[in-house]
Amino acid sequence: DAGVTQSPTHLIKTRGQHVTLRCSPISGHKSVSWYQQVLGQGPQFIFQYYEKEERGRGNFPDRFSARQFPNYSSELNVNALLLGDSALYLCASSPYSGFNEQFFGPGTRLTVL
Amino acid sequence: AQKITQTQPGMFVQEKEAVTLDCTYDTSDPSYGLFWYKQPSSGEMIFLIYQGSYDQQNATEGRYSLNFQKARKSANLVISASQLGDSAMYFCAPPDSGYSTLTFGKGTMLLVSP
Repeated sequence: DAGVTQSPTHLIKTRGQHVTLRCSPISGHKSVSWYQQVLGQGPQFIFQYYEKEERGRGNFPDRFSARQFPNYSSELNVNALLLGDSALYLCASSPYSGFNEQFFGPGTRLTVL
Repeated sequence: AQKITQTQPGMFVQEKEAVTLDCTYDTSDPSYGLFWYKQPSSGEMIFLIYQGSYDQQNATEGRYSLNFQKARKSANLVISASQLGDSAMYFCAPPDSGYSTLTFGKGTMLLVSP
């Protein structure tokens, strides 16, 4: 079975631009979470979606938004990019909402110049 | 907000030796558990082991085991018989009871030498 997939793998943008990152969860998983991992730190929670509804939001500015589609795939959008948005963006899926193991994708490495 | 402390930025171990990676956390939630993840240089987070707070015994999974001390709120990961492929970042992560997500520590870099 395919694991969590993310696209693109790498991305280079300039300040002020907009970016869209995509995630496909494991088949049958209905919960998708997004994390940001800057160099030298652990991942930091951005959003969680379950059954197409936002279930949680971390401490990120409104420039960050996300959505989940009927097939449970998800997009993370970041507007007005800043240098500090350079990071590895990880997507994780799980079968349902609640305390359970999260399965991570390979991540998208975003560089903002 | 939960606070996770991994006091060892880096650890070095020789192949075939055992190593312990420390993790303590501060939470008022009595139902807390804790996950450990491994992150190789490729970036993908790999699930290793989970300890539930009400589990009577320490969790074990192959070469991985947890030294769980509930009163001290610590759950140290023990890797037995280290292998070169164990070289990676290791994160402990309790779930966030509000959002069903994970709160990660800063991690420990483990380097296994031949």
